[in-house]
Amino acid sequence: DQQVKQNSPSLSVQEGRISILNCDYTNSMFDYFLWYKKYPAEGPTFLISISSIKDKNEDGRFTVFLNKSAKHLSLHIVPSQPGDSAVYFCAAANTGRRALTFGSGTRLQVQP
Amino acid sequence: EPEVTQTPSHQVTQMGQEVILRCVPISNHLYFYWYRQILGQKVEFLVSFYNNEISEKSEIFDDQFSVERPDGSNFTLKIRSTKLEDSAMYFCASRYQPEKLFFGSGTQLSVL
Repeated sequence: DQQVKQNSPSLSVQEGRISILNCDYTNSMFDYFLWYKKYPAEGPTFLISISSIKDKNEDGRFTVFLNKSAKHLSLHIVPSQPGDSAVYFCAAANTGRRALTFGSGTRLQVQP
Repeated sequence: EPEVTQTPSHQVTQMGQEVILRCVPISNHLYFYWYRQILGQKVEFLVSFYNNEISEKSEIFDDQFSVERPDGSNFTLKIRSTKLEDSAMYFCASRYQPEKLFFGSGTQLSVL
């Protein structure tokens, strides 16, 4: 079941530069998308979300973009900081089925 | 900030034994979830619970699994007869508003 896909298992960027994490989905019933960050030995932590009626949502250094026609979303982190180094999970849900479907995650390494 | 707490953080058991994983969701939350992550794989939905009953469950959540909210604060996941493939990190989550789940830090279950 690959309804939510994160095709890049890892990403390395320099401190201060932009990090772009990508996510694709196949289920057109999804109408809400979220990004979670996960450090080792901790549970996923909610970062930012976007509903399908929007194409952009911004919160500080984090911006999520949604392209519904392409079934693609991305998370931009700018400027990237070493503390952002973690695994980032994309997740999706629909109004009828509240359970989240997660992608496989992208490990972000921000180099000082 | 309120958080979801899980105990124990690590649980080692013999194959065929019963285990109970415990969670205390955030106090004003109404929806409760169990997810799991097998090492190196994606976070997978197991079950959701609302109004003292299961609202949704995945294919993973077979007859060996059960959930209970025995009082106003605890939420438990029981695995009746553990198998080797049940070894995973189990995350409890809760929410009040739609979709935004708060996760606990997980219980690492090792079945020997």
